[in-house]
Amino acid sequence: DAGVIQSPRHEVTEMGQEVTLRCKPISGHDYLFWYRQTMMRGLELLIYFNNNVPIDDSGMPEDRFSAKMPNASFSTLKIQPSEPRDSAVYFCASSLGRIGRETQYFGPGTRLLVL
Amino acid sequence: QQQVKQSPQSLIVQKGGISIINCAYENTAFDYFPWYQQFPGKGPALLIAIRPDVSEKKEGRFTISFNKSAKQFSLHIMDSQPGDSATYFCAARLFSGGYNKLIFGAGTRLAVHP
Repeated sequence: DAGVIQSPRHEVTEMGQEVTLRCKPISGHDYLFWYRQTMMRGLELLIYFNNNVPIDDSGMPEDRFSAKMPNASFSTLKIQPSEPRDSAVYFCASSLGRIGRETQYFGPGTRLLVL
Repeated sequence: QQQVKQSPQSLIVQKGGISIINCAYENTAFDYFPWYQQFPGKGPALLIAIRPDVSEKKEGRFTISFNKSAKQFSLHIMDSQPGDSATYFCAARLFSGGYNKLIFGAGTRLAVHP
């Protein structure tokens, strides 16, 4: 399997612009997670989906952030408008939810820099 | 109550030494405790994991010790190698009431000197 695929790997944008991050989970996984990693705040869970349905978005920082999962093989995380404090590495991860198969597999991340 | 506290923040060990990273939690509903390893520029990757009904799990040079009564667990890296230099995260999973989420510790940056 190719693992979790994220694009783009790097994104540099200017404050106020819309940013869209993309994720393709591992085929067959029914959970998809979006994380943000910064030096100050560590690894934070933003939102996760089960069978394409958002389950918990309590980690989404504010209304500028939105996430969708239109089908089992694709998800997006959108920031509109972007701000410099959104600069971070954004990871997507996927997993099976069943006991004994809990491992979350992380993608390589998208490094976002908002100027 | 959903926090996982990890220490130390950073650790320097000589090659061949033992690296020990500790984590503590409060929520007894956690049912799975993985450790992730992250190299610079990469995503975290599962290293080893344990369930609360087991007190120890060993895989090669990596061992998790789990103390359910104290709500603590630790990662031991025996015969530490320079290639082990990475950031290590402990985590705990909440899998109940419709939730399936990992709560991560703050991370420990390990440097193994030759």
